[in-house]
Amino acid sequence: AQKITQTQPGMFVQEKEAVTLDCTYDTSDPSYGLFWYKQPSSGEMIFLIYQGSYDQQNATEGRYSLNFQKARKSANLVISASQLGDSAMYFCAMREGPNTNAGKSTFGDGTTLTVKP
Amino acid sequence: AAGVIQSPRHLIKEKRETATLKCYPIPRHDTVYWYQQGPGQDPQFLISFYEKMQSDKGSIPDRFSAQQFSDYHSELNMSSLELGDSALYFCASSLMAEETQYFGPGTRLLVL
Repeated sequence: AQKITQTQPGMFVQEKEAVTLDCTYDTSDPSYGLFWYKQPSSGEMIFLIYQGSYDQQNATEGRYSLNFQKARKSANLVISASQLGDSAMYFCAMREGPNTNAGKSTFGDGTTLTVKP
Repeated sequence: AAGVIQSPRHLIKEKRETATLKCYPIPRHDTVYWYQQGPGQDPQFLISFYEKMQSDKGSIPDRFSAQQFSDYHSELNMSSLELGDSALYFCASSLMAEETQYFGPGTRLLVL
């Protein structure tokens, strides 16, 4: 079974508007971490935001916020006030296990976001 | 702030040749991960090291090997290269007790 599911292969948003990128996950481990990364066309993988499974509050980092709904196993990324530079591929990823250093990340298929001027 | 360094950034090899990719983690980070991202695909975990010992192994071919050295840098050695090995290879590093993996800029390998 897919551990990370991103159902939106592509998304469009108007500049200055907000956009939500969907991510659902599947794990039986009570302890896990959820991440979003941005990959522009240049190829680098840029860390955006992290949410721990025991965190009580939704994570926020500047214009990025994570809408964490644990019971639904969803971790949607919300980008507010979109900018042209936000156009990129966005990956949702998960690490399972209690803070283990062996914790590899499992990635979703990604969502390509295009910001329109 | 210092980031993960990977070298070379681009590499062109022919089939059956060998390649060595290098990764220098963020200072004080003790764990290194290698990922392979094929064209249009998500990154796939290959192997990881913690304190110079292999900590986990993913879908790494037997033709590939890796190690972490005493200065915590890591090298991914790839032999008998195949066309299908053409991909973007990421190294990521993290610090024990912290969750986030920080990725390097990647090495783009093209096998002709």
